[in-house]
Amino acid sequence: DAKTTQPNSMESNEEEPVHLPCNHSTISGTDYIHWYRQLPSQGPEYVIHGLTSNVNNRMASLAIAEDRKSSTLILHRATLRDAAVYYCILRARNSGNTPLVFGKGTRLSVIA
Amino acid sequence: DAGITQSPRHKVTETGTPVTLRCHQTENHRYMYWYRQDPGHGLRLIHYSYGVKDTDKGEVSDGYSVSRSKTEDFLLTLESATSSQTSVYFCAISESITYNSPLHFGNGTRLTVT
Repeated sequence: DAKTTQPNSMESNEEEPVHLPCNHSTISGTDYIHWYRQLPSQGPEYVIHGLTSNVNNRMASLAIAEDRKSSTLILHRATLRDAAVYYCILRARNSGNTPLVFGKGTRLSVIA
Repeated sequence: DAGITQSPRHKVTETGTPVTLRCHQTENHRYMYWYRQDPGHGLRLIHYSYGVKDTDKGEVSDGYSVSRSKTEDFLLTLESATSSQTSVYFCAISESITYNSPLHFGNGTRLTVT
């Protein structure tokens, strides 16, 4: 799977939107972009994934650049509960039996 | 929440003793994984299983063995624990291993080797 680059940390004010960037300049045409997050003292949880089009679910939105070399996870209104480490991971369509590999992610702090 | 139970949640053991961590799922998912998480290293895959009695190594498998005799249980064994194996261990499951199948994680086991 290709590599991703994320900022080590970000800060946001409560109730404001948060845009978490991810660069993946070596992405291939069959790589899906996955986001997970890990709340303090918990295991990671799946957030969202996409290929080319922007995606929305109850947790977040995923905006994918037209050239797919970057993407942004959008939390529309940050809450204190959104303070977590966010991981951006690429997953090849033909990845076979290869499991997910996590990087170090972005630590998001939310200020009340 | 996916039905994943890790036991024990906390364990302290001495160097050189064997330790077994258990992951139990109620989702009937085929794939199960063991990760460890350490400060500065993030999550690293130890072993995974793609079916009963079918397992494979991850990136940090030295010093660990696994067994899966039933779909619902995946055991991680440290044959002779060392201080470098002090870590938080997470079990995860997935229905398939394709790009479209998310992982669901347990709440972790904190292991301290003294």
